[in-house]
Amino acid sequence: QQPVQSPQAVILREGEDAVINCSSSKALYSVHWYRQKHGEAPVFLMILLKGGEQKGHEKISASFNEKKQQSSLYLTASQLSYSGTYFCGTAQGAQKLVFGQGTRLTINP
Amino acid sequence: DTAVSQTPKYLVTQMGNDKSIKCEQNLGHDTMYWYKQDSKKFLKIMFSYNNKELIINETVPNRFSPKSPDKAHLNLHINSLELGDSAVYFCASSIASGRYEQYFGPGTRLTVT
Repeated sequence: QQPVQSPQAVILREGEDAVINCSSSKALYSVHWYRQKHGEAPVFLMILLKGGEQKGHEKISASFNEKKQQSSLYLTASQLSYSGTYFCGTAQGAQKLVFGQGTRLTINP
Repeated sequence: DTAVSQTPKYLVTQMGNDKSIKCEQNLGHDTMYWYKQDSKKFLKIMFSYNNKELIINETVPNRFSPKSPDKAHLNLHINSLELGDSAVYFCASSIASGRYEQYFGPGTRLTVT
């Protein structure tokens, strides 16, 4: 079952912060985050493997709340290069990754 | 060096034709995938192979047939192409299946007219 991302789209000015949420009606074993720039392939950002885990990558970090079956991606002091569509992917079973519908992030100067 | 490569990058063809897309990874990964991304950007898994063995076969029409001649290659053959097959097809690989980072190829934009 596909995880649900919110919001569907965000427009920010450079330097502002954003939060993207990913929630599932099924138990989550792990959560992956990817970013896809226009016309390019998705690129891996980070994976969270257990509840309570938090990770960071430059000014992008994420948390995983296993009980609530959700994950959030935090973008701090956004840069123009952060623009793109962000996807969360949830591992369902041992083998399959199911992606959310994506959140389009636009950063304006 | 390109980690995951796909050919061709663009494919324009008519309804009813048969076409193939090729994928190669030089990362030494055991698992490879095919995804379809439609016009609404929805990224959906189609197939996955682990060490040449099919492990995921989602509900896709049987006009789509993947083949993995070795663990570094995964091809996708599509018979009797339909308008609805128009999409971007991404190949990806990971060190093993499931909870591992996936590396995506550049994508093949298929347009069926």
